[in-house]
Amino acid sequence: DQQVKQNSPSLSVQEGRISILNCDYTNSMFDYFLWYKKYPAEGPTFLISISSIKDKNEDGRFTVFLNKSAKHLSLHIVPSQPGDSAVYFCAASASAGTALIFGKGTTLSVSS
Amino acid sequence: DAGITQSPRHKVTETGTPVTLRCHQTENHRYMYWYRQDPGHGLRLIHYSYGVKDTDKGEVSDGYSVSRSKTEDFLLTLESATSSQTSVYFCAISESVTAEKLFFGSGTQLSVL
Repeated sequence: DQQVKQNSPSLSVQEGRISILNCDYTNSMFDYFLWYKKYPAEGPTFLISISSIKDKNEDGRFTVFLNKSAKHLSLHIVPSQPGDSAVYFCAASASAGTALIFGKGTTLSVSS
Repeated sequence: DAGITQSPRHKVTETGTPVTLRCHQTENHRYMYWYRQDPGHGLRLIHYSYGVKDTDKGEVSDGYSVSRSKTEDFLLTLESATSSQTSVYFCAISESVTAEKLFFGSGTQLSVL
């Protein structure tokens, strides 16, 4: 069973508009959530994170929202830029657990 | 970039042959991981290590073994490669067990024919 789900394989957005990437999780023990960004032929790189004691974390154009009751988080990118075109992975961990569990990823395409 | 080097970057091999992928880090991080990335599956954990000679299985460990004889090196071995192991393999390192932030290598593209 998938513990971290990204149900949208792809998303297309125009430059300057908002991109919203969604992620759902099933394990109530998860208490730390992260987003990674991956360009072709490169390894994933950390983008932004949020702990379960918060419901929002912002870093420049990137904001992550966490809804614990719904077991849902989302990544907002405003404004979107062509350089944001990449695969975005949602990941989660439990403080008492081991390694990160990743979702399947969402490919974001930002057109100019 | 964090000091993580994966070798080789690309490899083509035949079914049934053994293959070893190497991950070398210069960050002195305690934890090291091997992930594979496949279309439709995202990143899946194969094995991880929490210290020299201390390793454990991830969610897709069948057909793989690992070894860590030094802090800086983590080897992934496919004992007898199969076509289903064609994938991109990523090594990652972290300072903590909860792996709040992983640093990834650039990946190894492995093709098993």
